[in-house]
Amino acid sequence: KAGVTQTPRYLIKTRGQQVTLSCSPISGHRSVSWYQQTPGQGLQFLFEYFSETQRNKGNFPGRFSGRQFSNSRSEMNVSTLELGDSALYLCASSLVGLAGQETQYFGPGTRLLVL
Amino acid sequence: GEDVEQSLFLSVREGDSSVINCTYTDSSSTYLYWYKQEPGAGLQLLTYIFSNMDMKQDQRLTVLLNKKDKHLSLRIADTQTGDSAIYFCAERGNTDKLIFGTGTRLQVFP
Repeated sequence: KAGVTQTPRYLIKTRGQQVTLSCSPISGHRSVSWYQQTPGQGLQFLFEYFSETQRNKGNFPGRFSGRQFSNSRSEMNVSTLELGDSALYLCASSLVGLAGQETQYFGPGTRLLVL
Repeated sequence: GEDVEQSLFLSVREGDSSVINCTYTDSSSTYLYWYKQEPGAGLQLLTYIFSNMDMKQDQRLTVLLNKKDKHLSLRIADTQTGDSAIYFCAERGNTDKLIFGTGTRLQVFP
C-alpha cells in the first residue's frame, strides 16, 4: 500500500502571496489532518477533514483554509503569506481500527519558505 | 487547556536502554502515541497505548502509562545508532485533536 503523499515537497514564496498544498491519503483512509511544524511552536494541529467535511480546527487565523475532495485527497491553502508561515506542513491520514483507535500515518511534509 | 511536555534531549550509549518521558494534562486522554521523526522526514508512528492500559510491549519498545500521574514513557531496549531521531509523544483527548509534545532529541553514541 502506498503511503501518504504530499506535493510539492519544497516551496519558496514571498510575503503576500498565497500557496496551495496537496495531500493524498493512504487508499481507504477517509480522514486527513494537517499540522504545522516550526522550531519555535513545535507541531500544531491545523484542521481535520472526514468525508469532505471539516471535523476539527486548530487555533489558526482564517488565512489558513482547507478542503477535502470526494476521493479523500485534501488541499490546504494559505493566503497573504507572512514570514512566520515558513514551516514544515505535515499531512496525516487515518483509519479507525476495530478497537476504535484512530491511528495517524504521516506524509513526508511540504517545506514552505516565505521570503 | 491540553498540554504535553517532554525533556528536550537524551544521550545514550549504543546497546544501552533509552527511556523517554512525557507528561500530559488532559485527564480525558483516550489514546497516547509515540512518533519518531528523522531529519528531513515526516513522523513515523512507533506505537500507541489505550488509556486503560498500563503497559504495552512491541519488540524493543515498551510503553508505560501512569494515568494517575499523567505520565507516559517509552523505553527502547538495546538502543542502536539508527534510533537517533526526535521522539514525540501525543495524546488524543476530549477535543479529539492530536496534541503533540515538544519532542525529545535522542542521540546514540558508539
